[in-house]
Order: sequence, then structure tokens, then C-alpha cells
Amino acid sequence: DQQVKQNSPSLSVQEGRISILNCDYTNSMFDYFLWYKKYPAEGPTFLISISSIKDKNEDGRFTVFLNKSAKHLSLHIVPSQPGDSAVYFCAASEWGMDNTDKLIFGTGTRLQVFP
Amino acid sequence: DAMVIQNPRYQVTQFGKPVTLSCSQTLNHNVMYWYQQKSSQAPKLLFHYYDKDFNNEADTPDNFQSRRPNTSFCFLDIRSPGLGDAAMYLCATSRDVPSSYNEQFFGPGTRLTVL
Repeated sequence: DQQVKQNSPSLSVQEGRISILNCDYTNSMFDYFLWYKKYPAEGPTFLISISSIKDKNEDGRFTVFLNKSAKHLSLHIVPSQPGDSAVYFCAASEWGMDNTDKLIFGTGTRLQVFP
Repeated sequence: DAMVIQNPRYQVTQFGKPVTLSCSQTLNHNVMYWYQQKSSQAPKLLFHYYDKDFNNEADTPDNFQSRRPNTSFCFLDIRSPGLGDAAMYLCATSRDVPSSYNEQFFGPGTRLTVL
């Protein structure tokens, strides 16, 4: 049972335009959400996060929006650049009984930014 | 540079032949995680260590074991690999800070092939 879902396996965007990657979740107890970026042959790297008490977090070209009532978050990249081409994973954090964070990942969206 | 290192990057084993994957970190983080990612699927947490305390996910098969001899190293042992265990195995670390989200840092992964 997938608690974090990324329904678009791929997205193709022209350089300079906006990329919007979407993510849905089912567990209302999740308190923190993250986006990770993964290049081929590398591990995922942290990109941006948002706490469940906020609805927007911005970091340069990257903005994450959270709609708790809809259990939906999205990542906006403006303007998109060819170097943004990668797989983007949405993840939700669940607080473990031993006070550690457990990440529940989506299946990823492959973004391709073309010139 | 502080980092998470996984060896080998590619591992081929035979059906039923035990295999060990290794992870080391120079970040001095007290939490280490092992994830399994099958093709086109989300990374899935297998288990984690909080210092020397081992925490197994409920649905992790008994075929998977782990060892953490010291802060820097963590091993994933697959006792009798099956064809269904072919996957990318990701190691991650985090530094536990109470009452705060703790970012996870990932290694590049080991791709396991089972013949």
C-alpha cells in the first residue's frame, strides 16, 4: 500500500519554463515532507523540505507547496535548466519510536529539461 | 569531503550464495539506514541503527541482516539471495537532533544482480 504517490513517472519541460512535480500522500500523521533529487549513478540528494505547519517553502528556483486538506504537495522549479534533469523523489517523514525519522518515498518522477 | 561511501558499486552473486554489502561514513552520524530500491519502485526502508541499537522494519525478510561494528561502518548481509532480491541498495546516515527533522545523506548505492 503506497502511502506516498507520484503518479507521473516522467515530465518533459523546455528550458526556462516552469516544471511542476506532484505528490500525494495518504497518511495525515506525516509531519514533514521532502524532495530528493537523484542523478544517474549517484545517491539521492536532499533538495528542499516543508513542515506540515507551513504551506509554502522557497529556496531559490525551487518552491514546495503543501495542501494538507488535499494531502498533496508539489515542487515548482522556475526557471527550469538542463542541469535539473534528474529523477525527483517525494518523501514523507514519519517519527519512529526510537526518535528517528523514517522516510517513506514515492516512486519518483523523471524530469527532462530540453533546450 | 564528508560523505557516505558504498562498496562495491556493483555486485553480482549467485542464487543462494551469501553476499555482504558495505557502507562507511565520514560524517560521524549516529543513525545509519539501509534502503532497497527495485526497478521503478520507491526506495523502501529495510532497517536502521540508532548508535548500536538495531531497528528492523516489520516487513523486512529474515534473509536480510545487518551489522554495525562501529560508528563509521554498517554492513548488509543477504544470507541466501533470491532472484527477487536484485535491486539497488542505498545506505543513508543522519545525525539525530531531538525535536528537529534530521536530513538523511545517501550513498551512491550498490546495484545487486542475482544470477
